[in-house]
Amino acid sequence: EPEVTQTPSHQVTQMGQEVILRCVPISNHLYFYWYRQILGQKVEFLVSFYNNEISEKSEIFDDQFSVERPDGSNFTLKIRSTKLEDSAMYFCASSEPGRGGSEAFFGQGTRLTVV
Amino acid sequence: AQSVTQLDSHVSVSEGTPVLLRCNYSSSYSPSLFWYVQHPNKGLQLLLKYTSAATLVKGINGFEAEFKKSETSFHLTKPSAHMSDAAEYFCVVSDPPEAGNNRKLIWGLGTSLAVNP
Repeated sequence: EPEVTQTPSHQVTQMGQEVILRCVPISNHLYFYWYRQILGQKVEFLVSFYNNEISEKSEIFDDQFSVERPDGSNFTLKIRSTKLEDSAMYFCASSEPGRGGSEAFFGQGTRLTVV
Repeated sequence: AQSVTQLDSHVSVSEGTPVLLRCNYSSSYSPSLFWYVQHPNKGLQLLLKYTSAATLVKGINGFEAEFKKSETSFHLTKPSAHMSDAAEYFCVVSDPPEAGNNRKLIWGLGTSLAVNP
């Protein structure tokens, strides 16, 4: 069964460092997303990506964040200068085109710890 | 605007007894509704989804949910809880494409289900 894969599963970084979280969405999907879940809090939408551009982003997704689909298969989230409050579980998701509520398939997540 | 309210942050049941996890939503459109489950240290797994077809939706692991438009509810049920059902459950709403929300998922705060032996 096709699945979304995320690497690494756990990333520890020092405050101020740049991190890149990687995702390989399901191959025929066209919509891509990043969500995050701070420990003990709700899952929050960060950004959606379609047709090689950001289609929507939340208030959380400030200038420190960027996304890219560099080679047609990977979908990356970059945090330019990490802060302690960026520590969270980051989930990548993808969904296929079509009307109605397309199911979003989620990866296993990357746990980012900023120290 | 979309929103999701999960009415219970924690639910505790005994093994073999029914499970009811409550969810209410608001949307200006005819939304799609989902239940996701997250086991400890695991990713998010789709349990079931409602997308304007049958109002009673069956999912994996014996779970089902009923969409009630008049009550704006989408409660999750299971007739008999199993120890392996202990997890965090999220109710999620997504507007249709014409809403212009880019299929963004709006999440409830989650309900932690404990199953006692």
